[in-house]
Amino acid sequence: KAGVTQTPRYLIKTRGQQVTLSCSPISGHRSVSWYQQTPGQGLQFLFEYFSETQRNKGNFPGRFSGRQFSNSRSEMNVSTLELGDSALYLCASSLGQGGTEAFFGQGTRLTVV
Amino acid sequence: AQSVTQLDSQVPVFEEAPVELRCNYSSSVSVYLFWYVQYPNQGLQLLLKYLSGSTLVKGINGFEAEFNKSQTSFHLRKPSVHISDTAEYFCAVSTIQGAQKLVFGQGTRLTINP
Repeated sequence: KAGVTQTPRYLIKTRGQQVTLSCSPISGHRSVSWYQQTPGQGLQFLFEYFSETQRNKGNFPGRFSGRQFSNSRSEMNVSTLELGDSALYLCASSLGQGGTEAFFGQGTRLTVV
Repeated sequence: AQSVTQLDSQVPVFEEAPVELRCNYSSSVSVYLFWYVQYPNQGLQLLLKYLSGSTLVKGINGFEAEFNKSQTSFHLRKPSVHISDTAEYFCAVSTIQGAQKLVFGQGTRLTINP
């Protein structure tokens, strides 16, 4: 069974640009969640999509957005990049019910210069 | 809102010694509890989870954790650690009401010395 795939693994962008990260969940999983991991703030929840609908959202500015497609693949977009957006972005997929295991991808390392 | 506190940011231990990583949580509603491990340049892997029932939960790689409702704690233990256990460990909670939102602690870096 293939795991959660995130692309690209590494990305370098310039301040002010925008970026799109992709996540392919485990087959059959309808929930995809995104997290930002930084040394200072730790792991923070960005948002969750379930069956193409945003079901939950964390406390991030509107520059962070996402979407989910009918095949459950998800993308997240960050517009007008800031230096502080440099982080490891992790995607997790699950069946979507409370308490079910979230399977994480290896992450996308975004560096903003 | 939920919050998780991992009481130690770093824990150094010798190989084959026992270890306990401490986790306390705060929530006004019932929660599920999780421990995840992150190896360098990797995503997170689930070690174990508590949903209900027996308060002692056994996970992968010889780890176990005990849920203590009165102390709102979920400490992780292993009786004998190996070099390969060197990693960062995260305690997390999610609410029972559906949505997959994990609230994580700040992490504990476990370093095993030979």
